[in-house]
Amino acid sequence: GIQVEQSPPDLILQEGANSTLRCNFSDSVNNLQWFHQNPWGQLINLFYIPSGTKQNGRLSATTVATERYSLLYISSSQTTDSGVYFCAVHDGWGANSKLTFGKGITLSVRP
Amino acid sequence: DSGVTQTPKHLITATGQRVTLRCSPRSGDLSVYWYQQSLDQGLQFLIQYYNGEERAKGNILERFSAQQFPDLHSELNLSSLELGDSALYFCASSVGGIGGETQYFGPGTRLLVL
Repeated sequence: GIQVEQSPPDLILQEGANSTLRCNFSDSVNNLQWFHQNPWGQLINLFYIPSGTKQNGRLSATTVATERYSLLYISSSQTTDSGVYFCAVHDGWGANSKLTFGKGITLSVRP
Repeated sequence: DSGVTQTPKHLITATGQRVTLRCSPRSGDLSVYWYQQSLDQGLQFLIQYYNGEERAKGNILERFSAQQFPDLHSELNLSSLELGDSALYFCASSVGGIGGETQYFGPGTRLLVL
């Protein structure tokens, strides 16, 4: 099956700093989503971005499907950005398709 | 709030027991997906239902089963529970079911097997 690798595994930032989180995948995909899992365990949709660039406030994401990677940018980080960031890809259609998650990137933003 | 609801939020039970987790999808969504998040396995897809029928299957154990009812809510049944089944179980929903769509996740049910 498709492999999803996220880097770095852990990231510690000072409040106000910027960061880039990376997701590499091993095959072509028809869906890529970024999620934030907060300290209470909730999985929050950040972006649906199989290709191109999107922005939402301080967050933006870019997926280069032909080169099989996606980047999540966090600018002016806040303590509430802490948590785990997951990239997930969907690699097929119909009965054999599924969303495959990376292992996640743990972000800690210090005040 | 994603619009996907899950009950209960927490569940504590003993080995060998059976539990049922419930999920209501977002209004208008026909697909329901179940995922398991554990420390050693990460987030894994278990099973998908689309409009009442099983659509895709992942790493779901034979002791686990699911169904989707005519009102589109879904239940995940876990039986003969083992310590290793302790995990966070998520339900997600999407509009269709052919793949490639945004999936919206519920708040999860945290299961602890003692």
